[in-house]
Amino acid sequence: QVQLVQSGAELKKPGASVKVSCKASGYTFTSYDINWVRQATGQGLEWMAWMNPDNGHTGYAQKLQGRITMTWNTSISTAYMELSSLRSEDTAVYYCARAVVAGTELDYWGQGTLVTVSS
Amino acid sequence: QSVLTQPPSVSGAPGQRVTISCTGSSSNIGAGYDVHWYQQLPGTAPKLLIYGNRNRPSGVPDRFSGSKSGTSASLAITGLQAEDEADYYCQSYDSSLSGSTVFGTGTKVTVL
Repeated sequence: QVQLVQSGAELKKPGASVKVSCKASGYTFTSYDINWVRQATGQGLEWMAWMNPDNGHTGYAQKLQGRITMTWNTSISTAYMELSSLRSEDTAVYYCARAVVAGTELDYWGQGTLVTVSS
Repeated sequence: QSVLTQPPSVSGAPGQRVTISCTGSSSNIGAGYDVHWYQQLPGTAPKLLIYGNRNRPSGVPDRFSGSKSGTSASLAITGLQAEDEADYYCQSYDSSLSGSTVFGTGTKVTVL
């Protein structure tokens, strides 16, 4: 069965960076895009970025450009999202999710990773 | 900030029908891009409920249905059940934004 398993919760100071991993199983990793979505406590879903692990194409939400980096390791079917220059408003649960192509439905989601930014 | 607008909340008694609207513009829903819907139970990850405007993934009850017209889309829940109490989000693609998946503002469904 398809699974996306994310890394554990993180506590970071303002100005630091965080790297969240998303390990895929149950399907061919390079056949689907990975998207990243975040949700602050009590707030809605915010789309952040997508990556295609086959051709290396990526896309980012305009507000995050310059602070977000997506990488992946196809040999272990794992995607990574790194967010730099963290501020308090980056405190949120971060999700990875699978899509056939950019902009299509997100059919499987990771369990979420809580990132807390606090001094 | 979301470019797809949903009502903050809707409510209904068990067995009733409720609908949730998702209003976009000519650069997203109105441009012909598909709308997808997600259900998020408290403390859990979102779950795909409707894809491609009106299609249900395997395992989703047929009480849930989707439609799209012009610059808007709707999710209907018929025969409302207590377990349907959750947050619901629409999603589409927006051609005016780089990268460009967009979510709705979200709607809390309360079963009275």
